[in-house]
Amino acid sequence: EPEVTQTPSHQVTQMGQEVILRCVPISNHLYFYWYRQILGQKVEFLVSFYNNEISEKSEIFDDQFSVERPDGSNFTLKIRSTKLEDSAMYFCASSDPSTGAAKNIQYFGAGTRLSVL
Amino acid sequence: AQKVTQAQTEISVVEKEDVTLDCVYETRDTTYYLFWYKQPPSGELVFLIRRNSFDEQNEISGRYSWNFQKSTSSFNFTITASQVVDSAVYFCALSETITGNQFYFGTGTSLTVIP
Repeated sequence: EPEVTQTPSHQVTQMGQEVILRCVPISNHLYFYWYRQILGQKVEFLVSFYNNEISEKSEIFDDQFSVERPDGSNFTLKIRSTKLEDSAMYFCASSDPSTGAAKNIQYFGAGTRLSVL
Repeated sequence: AQKVTQAQTEISVVEKEDVTLDCVYETRDTTYYLFWYKQPPSGELVFLIRRNSFDEQNEISGRYSWNFQKSTSSFNFTITASQVVDSAVYFCALSETITGNQFYFGTGTSLTVIP
């Protein structure tokens, strides 16, 4: 069964460093998303991406964050200068906007746990 | 404004008991989707069910069933004959047409099934 793949599973970095979180969405999906979950809290939307551009972003997604689809398979989230409060689990998701039973369902990867020291 | 509320933070049941997880949502949209996701201890988010706003028919899928009521803005999820493997955090989520595809998640309900 197709799945969303995220690497690495755990990333440790020093405050102020740049990190890139990687995701391979399900191959025929057209919408891509990043969410984050601070430990013990709810999952929060960061950004959605469609047709090679950001379609929506939340207040959390400030200038420190960027997303990119560098090739036909990868979808990345970059944090330019990490802060302690960026420590969280980051989830990538993808969806198929076509009609049918799968419409609007977002399929999530297993997440990347980011630890900022 | 909080769009999805899961008032139950933790629930414990004994194996084989039925358990219902509550979800109340808020939206001004007329077309929206509601979801339940499961997050086991391993951390991934697993899709369970989806319901659209224009179909209030409630369904049963195996041990899972759900009760969607627009009049009370509720989307409750029931597991019958619970098993230890059902132990996880369960999230209710809302997707509105007017705000695009982003999901609004509730704060989750941690379910522990005791053997």
